[in-house]
Amino acid sequence: AQSVTQLDSHVSVSEGTPVLLRCNYSSSYSPSLFWYVQHPNKGLQLLLKYTSAATLVKGINGFEAEFKKSETSFHLTKPSAHMSDAAEYFCVVSDYGGATNKLIFGTGTLLAVQP
Amino acid sequence: EAGVAQSPRYKIIEKRQSVAFWCNPISGHATLYWYQQILGQGPKLLIQFQNNGVVDDSQLPKDRFSAERLKGVDSTLKIQPAKLEDSAVYLCASRSHFPGQLEAFFGQGTRLTVV
Repeated sequence: AQSVTQLDSHVSVSEGTPVLLRCNYSSSYSPSLFWYVQHPNKGLQLLLKYTSAATLVKGINGFEAEFKKSETSFHLTKPSAHMSDAAEYFCVVSDYGGATNKLIFGTGTLLAVQP
Repeated sequence: EAGVAQSPRYKIIEKRQSVAFWCNPISGHATLYWYQQILGQGPKLLIQFQNNGVVDDSQLPKDRFSAERLKGVDSTLKIQPAKLEDSAVYLCASRSHFPGQLEAFFGQGTRLTVV
């Protein structure tokens, strides 16, 4: 069975300070992991993906995430927050290559960026 | 490449009425998902198709929801009769089966309001 836990429902940072959004996963298979961003009234956009290659993954808009198998974590970071980063972020786990090819979403983290 | 198309973007109906949503996935994508996203929550999988076959519909309320994907391309999701708690955004996503292209692409969604 697969699951994903986003440890913070809300995160608030000041513009120019680092961002850390935490995600832990559980998977019976070698997982694929994704971070998606959703701006208000917009669709889901892929930020980055891990698919068993390099454990440090770089995405769009300066975001990156590190896959840590020993900690079953895939935390999302950015060195310096921008006002435009304010949005909801979803961590997603997949068992691609396993039985069902499901995409399982976390409950989301709402990022607020203060001026 | 064209993205995932969904229509309509918005729909308001009265409870006990019926409604249908349409999704056109990215050309060549074998896997198609329908998700329900209630305000403030993460997307919940309703049904997953592989070509025109159902892979997972365990969370689809089958007494009122139905979905089909004729010819393995376009898909429709229907609700009949609608309840107040069906108010949500309905997201369609598609995914390639090729390794290295494991991310899902999402449409803009259909926002349903049941009054």
